[in-house]
Amino acid sequence: DADVTQTPRNRITKTGKRIMLECSQTKGHDRMYWYRQDPGLGLRLIYYSFDVKDINKGEISDGYSVSRQAQAKFSLSLESAIPNQTALYFCATSPPGNYGYTFGSGTRLTVV
Amino acid sequence: DQQVKQNSPSLSVQEGRISILNCDYTNSMFDYFLWYKKYPAEGPTFLISISSIKDKNEDGRFTVFLNKSAKHLSLHIVPSQPGDSAVYFCAASAMKTSYDKVIFGPGTSLSVIP
Repeated sequence: DADVTQTPRNRITKTGKRIMLECSQTKGHDRMYWYRQDPGLGLRLIYYSFDVKDINKGEISDGYSVSRQAQAKFSLSLESAIPNQTALYFCATSPPGNYGYTFGSGTRLTVV
Repeated sequence: DQQVKQNSPSLSVQEGRISILNCDYTNSMFDYFLWYKKYPAEGPTFLISISSIKDKNEDGRFTVFLNKSAKHLSLHIVPSQPGDSAVYFCAASAMKTSYDKVIFGPGTSLSVIP
């Protein structure tokens, strides 16, 4: 099994729909992150969580929410999807003070 | 405004030659820098890092150079191999602050031609 598993791998959804992207990790780390990748913009941080009770907004959190259900699980929700949220979404985890993140394989989301 | 810039979206290099990927940053608080490599349909993987107290770090064929006064770092791959063909992301962090997160650049797509 992969260290960081993201589901689904691909998803097409309609504008206005609510959608949840799920992430689970087996590394045993407290820290988890959600990034989105857009062409020419690299990876931008949406939300991050340093433990189950600690959730923080990243640089582009508008239109997104997260839930940290357990140390191993961190889900990202789009409450009302819009086309400019079409992107590749990555979940990652890391130990404290170490930026060698372990990323999942990504979720390709298309909002039509 | 991007705090981490990779001004070359793509780079092509012959197998066996040196690949040099460049990265510039604007935030003087950054004190830890990383390179990640990404293949299609996979997540980025950590490649190499460097602290601001150093100006060079080597790991096999990969060397990262840091020029703090110029706010510039580069990744050298010698010799380049076809399997090095991927997108490379430069990233930076300010470890001394409580912000404690990584800022990524837009990436450079490297093609190593056999």
